[in-house]
Amino acid sequence: ILNVEQSPQSLHVQEGDSTNFTCSFPSSNFYALHWYRWETAKSPEALFVMTLNGDEKKKGRISATLNTKEGYSYLYIKGSQPEDSATYLCAFASGSARQLTFGSGTQLTVLP
Amino acid sequence: GAGVSQSPSNKVTEKGKDVELRCDPISGHTALYWYRQRLGQGLEFLIYFQGNSAPDKSGLPSDRFSAERTGESVSTLTIQRTQQEDSAVYLCASSPRSASEAFFGQGTRLTVV
Repeated sequence: ILNVEQSPQSLHVQEGDSTNFTCSFPSSNFYALHWYRWETAKSPEALFVMTLNGDEKKKGRISATLNTKEGYSYLYIKGSQPEDSATYLCAFASGSARQLTFGSGTQLTVLP
Repeated sequence: GAGVSQSPSNKVTEKGKDVELRCDPISGHTALYWYRQRLGQGLEFLIYFQGNSAPDKSGLPSDRFSAERTGESVSTLTIQRTQQEDSAVYLCASSPRSASEAFFGQGTRLTVV
């Protein structure tokens, strides 16, 4: 069983605040690390797929970094907006078992 | 269709009955995943298909659960003799190749009464 942990479990921030969450995963046999955004009543949608140690990806106000040697990834949101409210999931794929194992997510609420 | 399609969207069944859930992946996607989300919990991996390789069934919780996929087409998840703890949202996802971006369907909400 692959252990993918996310913290914090939930987070409330004020509009305009910047925030970040953590995903930790096994540091051996790494293949890929994904971030997804899951809004209420919708399906999860991919934000980033990261495969190389040291990768940094950015999409608008959201960015992510990857450290495969120590087994963690950070997701950053700059200047949070109420529409950023969602659950953010990370998913890990190992080199041997390519199926995606998801963490339990970080539930973000941005207060206006 | 352009996206992953799941049917039915909602299913209420009596304890002990069998149910079959269907997933139509995006055309050309070789990888297909089934997950479930029970109330208050995260996404739990069930089974993974990749092309014509043997499926990874390591997440199936009991032998009451089975899934099939023919080639790169439709997949069905069957739950026999349903129990109340099977109540969950069952999500299907497909991706162009293993471990690439996954595209999710809208899910099937299963309620066992």
